[in-house]
Amino acid sequence: GEDVEQSLFLSVREGDSSVINCTYTDSSSTYLYWYKQEPGAGLQLLTYIFSNMDMKQDQRLTVLLNKKDKHLSLRIADTQTGDSAIYFCADGGGSNYKLTFGKGTLLTVNP
Amino acid sequence: NAGVTQTPKFRVLKTGQSMTLLCAQDMNHEYMYWYRQDPGMGLRLIHYSVGEGTTAKGEVPDGYNVSRLKKQNFLLGLESAAPSQTSVYFCASRASTADNEQFFGPGTRLTVL
Repeated sequence: GEDVEQSLFLSVREGDSSVINCTYTDSSSTYLYWYKQEPGAGLQLLTYIFSNMDMKQDQRLTVLLNKKDKHLSLRIADTQTGDSAIYFCADGGGSNYKLTFGKGTLLTVNP
Repeated sequence: NAGVTQTPKFRVLKTGQSMTLLCAQDMNHEYMYWYRQDPGMGLRLIHYSVGEGTTAKGEVPDGYNVSRLKKQNFLLGLESAAPSQTSVYFCASRASTADNEQFFGPGTRLTVL
């Protein structure tokens, strides 16, 4: 089946930028997603990008997509302690009705 | 709107016992999903439904059954629980494939002894 890979841990200082990387294998992917999970809670959609775009910006969040290399990244500017959470990359595949999730990156923001 | 709710929030079972997890959504969504989350494994899709009366297998369906008799409810059943089914279970719903957001419930933490 299709696969989504991301690093498991990232630690940054408050105020710095965070960059979380993801790779996927499905060449037919239409949409790619970033979800956030805070402790003890379900996942919340942060942002998504359509496969014909290479960048999307939403306030402090910037998503970059390199479709040729099947590489997706999420940049969080001015990272705050409230950004500490697990971030999941997800691939909608060709049909976009079910998602394949990566294992999640635990972001720790140190004051 | 309550969004996506899950019942129960916590449960402890003994090996071999059965139980049903209930997911309910009040957003009139067509698509519903059951995932399990295990440390270091991310979220894995168990079963999903693309509409009332339909179900389909996901990535890890063995040991689970589902039903979608009403549009707003999606039930996940464990007929004979095993310790390997100890996990956190999340339900999600989505309006359609044209709508890109899956809404997640708060999770059910299940321990099988």
